[in-house]
Amino acid sequence: AAGVIQSPRHLIKEKRETATLKCYPIPRHDTVYWYQQGPGQDPQFLISFYEKMQSDKGSIPDRFSAQQFSDYHSELNMSSLELGDSALYFCASATGYSGNTIYFGEGSWLTVV
Amino acid sequence: EDKVVQSPLSLVVHEGDTVTLNCSYEVTNFRSLLWYKQEKKAPTFLFMLTSSGIEKKSGRLSSILDKKELFSILNITATQTGDSAVYLCAVEDRGSTLGRLYFGRGTQLTVWP
Repeated sequence: AAGVIQSPRHLIKEKRETATLKCYPIPRHDTVYWYQQGPGQDPQFLISFYEKMQSDKGSIPDRFSAQQFSDYHSELNMSSLELGDSALYFCASATGYSGNTIYFGEGSWLTVV
Repeated sequence: EDKVVQSPLSLVVHEGDTVTLNCSYEVTNFRSLLWYKQEKKAPTFLFMLTSSGIEKKSGRLSSILDKKELFSILNITATQTGDSAVYLCAVEDRGSTLGRLYFGRGTQLTVWP
């Protein structure tokens, strides 16, 4: 069965650079969530989208932005990268409103040097 | 303030042992509780629990929810080395439209041969 696809899987960037992560949800899933998990930390919710509209916002820095496109894939843009942005970023998808199982992608490892 | 608390933080057992992982929560608008297994990548879904007292079972894993006492347990019987992972408990808060997940810090399970 198709899963949540994230790219790239690994990314190394220098401080102050910009990075873009992509997430392709499971087919027919219209909801995408972004989470950030630092080393040894629990996942922290960043932002979510439903039907291409932002629906909820968590601890996402102002330097980050995200959007969901017409094909329901989502991109997380991170600018002015800092060392503390090094983390595993994973997205999850689900159908419609909550109550449906949320499935996670494999994650994108971002290392800022 | 942590909304989801897992215990123990770490557990080391030998193959064949049975383990019980605990998750307590405090979320205003509870919708569901989810268990995930994480092995150096994004979490993989195990169970979603919405009703009290109904055990969910998958092979050697089982889980049950107590909505009155606000906790859940995950049992793993006849543990194997492949069960070594971080087990995450997440609670879905229906306060936001899409039910944001709040994660616990996880229980690191290590199974020795």
